[in-house]
Amino acid sequence: DIQMTQSPSSLSASVGDRVTITCRASQGIGDGLGWYQQKSGKAPKRLIHAAFVLQSGVPSRFIGSGSGTEFTLTISSLQPEDFATYYCLQYNSYPPMFGQGTKVEIK
Amino acid sequence: QLQLQESGPGLVKPSETLSLTCTVSGGPISSSPYYWGWVRQPPGKGLEWIGSILYSGATSYTPSLKSRVTISVDTSKNQFSLKLSSVTAADTAVYYCARLGTGAWQYYFDYWGQGTLVTVSS
Repeated sequence: DIQMTQSPSSLSASVGDRVTITCRASQGIGDGLGWYQQKSGKAPKRLIHAAFVLQSGVPSRFIGSGSGTEFTLTISSLQPEDFATYYCLQYNSYPPMFGQGTKVEIK
Repeated sequence: QLQLQESGPGLVKPSETLSLTCTVSGGPISSSPYYWGWVRQPPGKGLEWIGSILYSGATSYTPSLKSRVTISVDTSKNQFSLKLSSVTAADTAVYYCARLGTGAWQYYFDYWGQGTLVTVSS
């Protein structure tokens, strides 16, 4: 199975800050990586697929990059509505695997 | 707009079988090329894929739960279901149903239900 290591597990940031979250795959997954945002008590919401393709309706401040084994999600200017937990997902091969999550909190 | 809704008991006794149904509206499961699946999230923890099914009945399960999981589909009701046997407290979680992609996207989740909390307790 491909393991996904996501870091950091949590971070504190202020509105307007640039935030970066990293996901590392235990073996190459090409661009089969997605990012999800989950707010408390809600289902995950898709943000990015194919490592960098923004889902329709998602603000352009969300930027995905990477391929192979290392991927990043950058929020270029953190907004109040962005405080949430973020998960990466490798969907390149069986079984699909989520990262452990990164909780973005208000500083 | 595709919508998914989980239903089923919120409380299950240890050693019994957890049963949930996902009702899909806004599009047919039958003849759809998409996979339909279940994900769970223990309180305060991360997301775990449980398994997926195609309208034809072809299934795929996560290795750690494979011996206890059955996913089935009822195209006449536009529903698919999850059964998890011999549950313990470790199976307490919010259970989500979801639509997945097709082909190379069969493990990518696009639409999600709102989730339902299932507690395993006597």
